[in-house]
Amino acid sequence: GAGVSQSPRYKVAKRGQDVALRCDPISGHVSLFWYQQALGQGPEFLTYFQNEAQLDKSGLPSDRFFAERPEGSVSTLKIQRTQQEDSAVYLCASKDRAPSQTGELFFGEGSRLTVL
Amino acid sequence: GQQLNQSPQSMFIQEGEDVSMNCTSSSIFNTWLWYKQDPGEGPVLLIALYKAGELTSNGRLTAQFGITRKDSFLNISASIPSDVGIYFCAGRHGSSNTGKLIFGQGTTLQVKP
Repeated sequence: GAGVSQSPRYKVAKRGQDVALRCDPISGHVSLFWYQQALGQGPEFLTYFQNEAQLDKSGLPSDRFFAERPEGSVSTLKIQRTQQEDSAVYLCASKDRAPSQTGELFFGEGSRLTVL
Repeated sequence: GQQLNQSPQSMFIQEGEDVSMNCTSSSIFNTWLWYKQDPGEGPVLLIALYKAGELTSNGRLTAQFGITRKDSFLNISASIPSDVGIYFCAGRHGSSNTGKLIFGQGTTLQVKP
């Protein structure tokens, strides 16, 4: 596609439910990043992939958060047993080169998660 | 998580005025970036800076990479209503080979026609 596509755009979950957020990066982009943006804050790094390899997951807040990119294209961020503090916008971004190479990120519109 | 110190937090200006915002860090970055985010959208890259002292323009926008590598500023000249939005600085550490960015808290800009 022309840009990074994320779905769903909005998700309301009851506390304790599991959610899955999908990211379709720009076609051919090697690197994919997930960021979490709380209300009124800047995005915070969660994890990134180079192709199908998850090279850094140090930003994931807890073991309830899990991300995968099995074929090196589409990625899914899964949150198990959601808590109210998980409410945020989850941004996906991709880049056409390896994470360490120059080149900047293109962000999707984000998935807004509200946990009641 | 670590975030950059961005100021001011918000600005309310008259159309046509110039705007200046800045970002500081306690650690060194080898890349500084400035993004704009509109409501319900993802951040869009405005300017990227890769070298200490670098001054780069993009239309009415000008940004500089501080000599100390610990700060950057963004100027917007002759503001117009469509400049409204949230501006974020972001930095990438020199020692990092991950490419991940650290963002500031954002500057909310409102422009009065």
